[in-house]
Order: sequence, then C-alpha cells, then structure tokens
Amino acid sequence: GNSVTQMEGPVTLSEEAFLTINCTYTATGYPSLFWYVQYPGEGLQLLLKATKADDKGSNKGFEATYRKETTSFHLEKGSVQVSDSAVYFCALSGPHTGGFKTIFGAGTRLFVKA
Amino acid sequence: DAGVIQSPRHEVTEMGQEVTLRCKPISGHNSLFWYRQTMMRGLELLIYFNNNVPIDDSGMPEDRFSAKMPNASFSTLKIQPSEPRDSAVYFCASSWSARGSWETQYFGPGTRLLVL
Repeated sequence: GNSVTQMEGPVTLSEEAFLTINCTYTATGYPSLFWYVQYPGEGLQLLLKATKADDKGSNKGFEATYRKETTSFHLEKGSVQVSDSAVYFCALSGPHTGGFKTIFGAGTRLFVKA
Repeated sequence: DAGVIQSPRHEVTEMGQEVTLRCKPISGHNSLFWYRQTMMRGLELLIYFNNNVPIDDSGMPEDRFSAKMPNASFSTLKIQPSEPRDSAVYFCASSWSARGSWETQYFGPGTRLLVL
C-alpha cells in the first residue's frame, strides 16, 4: 500500500543550524510529493511540492528533492530561524492513493532555540 | 481570496450532546476533506467528498459521526451523541482534484472541540 514514514521528533536546533527532516515513501506509480507545515494553533499549509522524479521543490529557504531511486523526499534548510518552529508533515498523493486522497506522515515537530 | 472557513473555532460541550461543525471550502474547489487531529493519533482522514459526493468514509470512527455536503460551498460534520474521546481539533480542507492532477490541499483553521 501507499505510506509515508518520516523521522520522529521532536527535533531541537539552535538558530542558524542546518536542518534535515527525513521522509521516505512507499507508493504505486508516480505520486506527487509534498511538505506541509503547521504553525501553533493553525491548520496545515503547503510548504513545497514536487511532481516528478528529480524535481526540487523550494520555498522560504526550504528545499526537498524527489528521489525515486531511494523513494525519499528529505526536507532541508541551511539556516533555521526561531520562526521555523512548527510541525512538518511529509505527504504524497497520486493515482493510486484511493482517488483524491493525500497520505500524510506522522509529522515531525521542530523547536528552534534563539 | 478567502481561504477555507470553519465554524465554530472553539466548541465546549457536555457528553451526550450533539455537535455540528461547519465548513465552507474555497470557491471553485471540487474536493473536500474532514480530518481529526489529536496528540495520540496524529492527523486522521475521516471522510472526503468529490463533487459533493462522499467518496471514502472509511475513516469515520463510528455511527455517531456523520458528514454531509449539500452543495459545493458547504459541508457539515456531526457527532451525535458526543463523547469525551471525541475531543480533538477537526480540520476541513479543500482542493481542486481531477484525474491526472493531484493538487495541494488547503486547510481551514480548525475547530477545537472539547467534550466534558
């Protein structure tokens, strides 16, 4: 079946540190891959996405590359800020996820200290 | 452009009472999703609609939960009777979905439900 596995949190970093949140997936076919972010007290919002192999999604200094050979979509940022503290969800969606569903990972909470 | 609108934002009720959560999706979107989020279980998909038709309700926990989408601009999630274990944040999300296109979901701010 289709699934997303992401690293458990929480992840605690100091400001300006390098961030990596690992995400691997299992899917039939060629899904689109997403990273969503949830700030405290809010709903999820799209951070970035990639729709085919080797695509790189980027936004607000975050990047992730769609790696079909390793079935991964790791999230990276070169220098985190306190304002990046949030929960990050890796997700996939495609023709074999049951119609129009998006499959979400469990989420990884990030704390950034000043 | 208004995003997904949910009401109420907060709801406190007593066990056994009926609870109705409301959602207005983004205009032009044809898919609508209801999710529940708790610390213990994370984010769970309850039900989703495409073109106002329920496509998959396998995530609905039990018969106490029901959802409707009478038109493209409105959906409700009802819990009757409510129980303390239903306490959670309920999110509504919408997207434009079509065969060959798997688009971004846009989430509302959520309804924080507390059942005493």
